[in-house]
This record gives sequence, C-alpha cells and structure tokens, in this order.
Amino acid sequence: GENVEQHPSTLSVQEGDSAVIKCTYSDSASNYFPWYKQELGKGPQLIIDIRSNVGEKKDQRIAVTLNKTAKHFSLHITETQPEDSAVYFCAALGNNAGNMLTFGGGTRLMVKP
Amino acid sequence: SAVISQKPSRDICQRGTSLTIQCQVDSQVTMMFWYRQQPGQSLTLIATANQGSEATYESGFVIDKFPISRPNLTFSTLTVSNMSPEDSSIYLCSVVQGQPAFFGQGTRLTVV
Repeated sequence: GENVEQHPSTLSVQEGDSAVIKCTYSDSASNYFPWYKQELGKGPQLIIDIRSNVGEKKDQRIAVTLNKTAKHFSLHITETQPEDSAVYFCAALGNNAGNMLTFGGGTRLMVKP
Repeated sequence: SAVISQKPSRDICQRGTSLTIQCQVDSQVTMMFWYRQQPGQSLTLIATANQGSEATYESGFVIDKFPISRPNLTFSTLTVSNMSPEDSSIYLCSVVQGQPAFFGQGTRLTVV
C-alpha cells in the first residue's frame, strides 16, 4: 500500500518568513495530493491540492509543487502570518478503488509574531 | 464543498461504556469514512461506510469494537464499544466529493 512521509514534524518561523513542508510517497501510481490544515479543536480543512498531471499550483500565499520522478511534493507558504499556525497534513491518493487517502505524520507550524 | 456535522463535539465517558458518534452531510454521498486521530498523531482510517453494504474495516479495527451504520446517503454513525482509556482520541467523519475529501469537526473522546 501507499506510504507517506512528512518532514519536518515541527517548524517555527518568524512572521513574514516562508515555510516549506515536504512529503514523499511510495506508490508511483498515486495521482492526487491534497494538503490539509488543522487548527486546534477542529477537523482538517483542505487548503490546496494538486493532481499528477501538474507540476505546480498556487493560491495566493500558498503553493504546492510535485516531482513525480522523485515521488515528492511540497507545500510552500510565503509571508507567513500568526494565523497560519496550525498542524498541516499532506496526503496521497494511491492506486485503490476506495478513494482512500494516506496521510503524512503532520507538521506543527508555529509562526512567531 | 460538503458540509459535515458531527455530534457530539466532545464527551467524557466511563470505561466499559459505549458512545455513538453521528455524522450528517448536507448532500448525498456514496462513500463515508471514519478516522481516528490519537493525541498529537496523524489520521488513521478505521473503516469505509457505503450505503446499503457492510462497512469495510482497516487492519487493526474490528466491527465488534467499532460498529458502523449507514442507513442512507447523508448519515452514518460510529460506535466506540466497551471503551478503555486507550480509546481516547479524536474521531473524524469524512466524505469524498469528486476527489477532495472533506472532514467534520471531529469528536474529542476522553475515557476515564
């Protein structure tokens, strides 16, 4: 089955700096890679996703890049703000008929004012 | 995007008892998923619940411990049976619309 590794597990940045979170996956047939943000006491919220036929996708201050050859994808947050502080999860949709996502271990991002 | 409501949002339960968590979606969906998120951990899939069929459980999860109902296309329940402190977690309901998966706000369960 699919295996997703996520790094780092914690990340502390100064407000205004950029943050990068990286994930690798094992199943070369995986074709969909969403990123979720989970704030304290809430469920994960989809913030951006990318499909395997695209190398990069941007939405305002967040962007995701995908390298299919190396089987890794990354989340980039620019001009970080304190409200970006949360736990971020990457995920991959492997080659299964059940639409089941495999999640990375999560990254706790802390943005210091 | 789908709007998912989970009840209760949190509960504190005595060991040996059972708790049923409800998940209501604002639109009809074929597949619903139940996840467990242990403190400080990632999401682990418990089971997939399709309307009109038995739930499919992942390795390490069994129906006797986590019975699931899926009576229609907008509703599902997960029961955590004969609870022990090790069951203290956040339980999350999720649905898939297209490819994005959407989550409820979760049920924070503490077993004492």
